[in-house]
Amino acid sequence: DTAVSQTPKYLVTQMGNDKSIKCEQNLGHDTMYWYKQDSKKFLKIMFSYNNKELIINETVPNRFSPKSPDKAHLNLHINSLELGDSAVYFCASSHLDRDFSPLHFGNGTRLTVT
Amino acid sequence: KNQVEQSPQSLIILEGKNCTLQCNYTVSPFSNLRWYKQDTGRGPVSLTIMTFSENTKSNGRYTATLDADTKQSSLHITASQLSDSASYICVVSPNTGNQFYFGTGTSLTVIP
Repeated sequence: DTAVSQTPKYLVTQMGNDKSIKCEQNLGHDTMYWYKQDSKKFLKIMFSYNNKELIINETVPNRFSPKSPDKAHLNLHINSLELGDSAVYFCASSHLDRDFSPLHFGNGTRLTVT
Repeated sequence: KNQVEQSPQSLIILEGKNCTLQCNYTVSPFSNLRWYKQDTGRGPVSLTIMTFSENTKSNGRYTATLDADTKQSSLHITASQLSDSASYICVVSPNTGNQFYFGTGTSLTVIP
């Protein structure tokens, strides 16, 4: 009955490779997000999708491409991985149109680029 | 500029003791402030929400306060337990759009 699930939990890969992280939510939320958490534990928004439409696209290299096939899924594809991409990536979801709707996070994907 | 700052950055306390974490923000216009708890290896989980009209709210051993005039919030943990060891993140939302402003978090370690 996991609310927001993302896979894989750990991802170790070499520089230059292309990888994907998948995220699914079963909460019926209309908005999904990708956050990057750096070594200092600071969470930074990368993308946000509402009903499959991109609504937030922060300054992120275009090697990162989100894809939302439906409201319950938001995947993150990363091309030509670099050492600086190593971090923990969190998927989250919420109700955009409900006041005070909290963010529900997945348990993260730890990406290590060697 | 909309910012959220938390202090202390890290804290170590003995089991059974109380502690208070601080959050100062400059986000405007203000809608609400949430405290999240992030256990090691997990995603953050919402503990409590404070809206503009609320001064204090309790959730078990956690009590959050909000002073909207000075733009400060605190999270007080009573009779700490080992399971309270985690990062605590303050997140402020403006009343415009779909924005969340994250603090840098306080890492709490409770030792026996």
